[in-house]
Amino acid sequence: EPEVTQTPSHQVTQMGQEVILRCVPISNHLYFYWYRQILGQKVEFLVSFYNNEISEKSEIFDDQFSVERPDGSNFTLKIRSTKLEDSAMYFCASRRAQGAREQYFGPGTRLTVT
Amino acid sequence: AQSVSQHNHHVILSEAASLELGCNYSYGGTVNLFWYVQYPGQHLQLLLKYFSGDPLVKGIKGFEAEFIKSKFSFNLRKPSVQWSDTAEYFCAVLTNFGNEKLTFGTGTRLTIIP
Repeated sequence: EPEVTQTPSHQVTQMGQEVILRCVPISNHLYFYWYRQILGQKVEFLVSFYNNEISEKSEIFDDQFSVERPDGSNFTLKIRSTKLEDSAMYFCASRRAQGAREQYFGPGTRLTVT
Repeated sequence: AQSVSQHNHHVILSEAASLELGCNYSYGGTVNLFWYVQYPGQHLQLLLKYFSGDPLVKGIKGFEAEFIKSKFSFNLRKPSVQWSDTAEYFCAVLTNFGNEKLTFGTGTRLTIIP
């Protein structure tokens, strides 16, 4: 069964550094998402992406964040200058098509900012 | 804005005990409801979903949930839990049917004692 994959599983970075989190959505899916979960808190929506553009973003998703689908298979989340409060588990998800409401999640990347 | 509440943060049960995890949402319009499970070290997996019709929905691994519109609730149940049910359980609601972003609860950690 196809799965969403994410790399790396754990990323440690210093404050102020740029990080790129990578996701490979299920191949015939058209809608892509990033969510995050700060330790002990709820899973929060960050951004959705469709047809090579952002369709919605949350207030968390400020100018330090960007997303890209560079090659038709990968879906990346970039944080330009990480802050301590960016430490969280980041989940990628994908959805097949309009009307298919189930989102399939990846295993997550644990980002630790020191 | 919609929100989801899961009041049980950590539940500990013995094997064969019955389980009920609470989930309440706040939104006055049409909702789709989901329960996701995250086993240790694994990705979020869909347990069950409610879109419309019969408010009692059955999912995988013997889980079921009942949508009670008047109570804004979607509680998860299982008559007899197993040690392998140890996991984190997340309730989520979908209200924006265009963009399909999920709003999650804080999650309930379930520990089953053999």
